Amino acid sequence: DVQLVESGGRLVQPGGSLRLSCAASGFNFNVYSMNWVRQAPGKGLEWVSYISSSSSKIYYADSVKGRFTISRDNAKNSVYLQMNSLRAEDTAVYYCARADVDVWGQGTTVTVSS
Amino acid sequence: QAGLTQPPSVSKGLRQTATLTCTGNSSNVGNHGAVWLQQPRGLPPRFLSYSNNNRPSGISERFSASRSGNTASLTITGLQPEDEADYYCSAWDSSLSARIFGGGTKLTVL
Repeated sequence: DVQLVESGGRLVQPGGSLRLSCAASGFNFNVYSMNWVRQAPGKGLEWVSYISSSSSKIYYADSVKGRFTISRDNAKNSVYLQMNSLRAEDTAVYYCARADVDVWGQGTTVTVSS
Repeated sequence: QAGLTQPPSVSKGLRQTATLTCTGNSSNVGNHGAVWLQQPRGLPPRFLSYSNNNRPSGISERFSASRSGNTASLTITGLQPEDEADYYCSAWDSSLSARIFGGGTKLTVL
């Protein structure tokens, strides 16, 4: 089965850092671009970042540019999101999603609070 | 970053037909099409269809998608209680180099 499994979410203080991971299985990870998408409590979906299959193209939403870094390890079938200088407004469920957002994980919850 | 425009809510009766719309511009929906996602309460989003009606296996034929110009549509026929959910459209925007989402439509099945 095609599957994405996120991990790494937890409670963190404002200004802190966190690294999210997403493990892929059931498809040829190497040929697909990947995205991170988040959803704040009671809100809609917000795209966060994109990375191409070879990591040659990387894009970020304005709201996270300069603070978040996306990366991938094709040998480990995994994509990552390094989150620095976290703010209360970064509190959300973070999903990884394949390419055209045609496959989604279950999400991991990030809470930024003192 | 601007988003796609969806009506906040749609209410229809059991076994009726609902049509959800998603409006963008030539930088996103008009040139790249859109995708439709379903998110039942408390669950992660699920991919339903591309705007050319290309659906993955397992998605009911009651869901059909189309596009006209800068507007994508999702039609759900024979509404069932389990169709009650939030529906999102999304598209790649080439002028923003970003993926954008609509605000979502809450579908209520009466």
